[in-house]
Amino acid sequence: EDQVTQSPEALRLQEGESSSLNCSYTVSGLRGLFWYRQDPGKGPEFLFTLYSAGEEKEKERLKATLTKKESFLHITAPKPEDSATYLCAVRGIQGAQKLVFGQGTRLTINP
Amino acid sequence: DVKVTQSSRYLVKRTGEKVFLECVQDMDHENMFWYRQDPGLGLRLIYFSYDVKMKEKGDIPEGYSVSREKKERFSLILESASTNQTSMYLCASSLGGAREKLFFGSGTQLSVL
Repeated sequence: EDQVTQSPEALRLQEGESSSLNCSYTVSGLRGLFWYRQDPGKGPEFLFTLYSAGEEKEKERLKATLTKKESFLHITAPKPEDSATYLCAVRGIQGAQKLVFGQGTRLTINP
Repeated sequence: DVKVTQSSRYLVKRTGEKVFLECVQDMDHENMFWYRQDPGLGLRLIYFSYDVKMKEKGDIPEGYSVSREKKERFSLILESASTNQTSMYLCASSLGGAREKLFFGSGTQLSVL
């Protein structure tokens, strides 16, 4: 069974204080690892897909990396508007088209 | 941009009522999904559909059914609502490829009293 564990559950940073969110996964043949951002009361919004170990993707202050067992979402010099819940999900070979999600990391950036 | 529209933002129902949650996507996506999201439990898949009139059970299908009569519309049905079905319900859609991302609607917050 595919599984995703995210840590920490919540993270509070000062504006400009860089950090990383972790996503550990077990999957029967990775087809893709997905990062989403979710604001309160809204649906998840797509950020990145990573397909193979060693791959990296960047968008503004966010950078996602992937190894064979985990993914990191690095946040560089965050701003208050980066406050959100960040969700990690995997799609495995045996999972058809579905995504299996972690519980998310709630990130708060204080000004 | 892809748009996934859920018919209600907030819904309040009574125990035992039959509840319909509607979802429409405008990008001709093959796949559609229903997840529920609860604090501490994350998103859990209820049902998904990869074609019209086709459906597959997800991880927590008990107490739910679905209908997909047209490609753009995917309905979630609570046959007899119970208080433990109070949750945020999220609909999503995607193209058919193995690498395709999911596009989500804004969610329906359902309260069953």
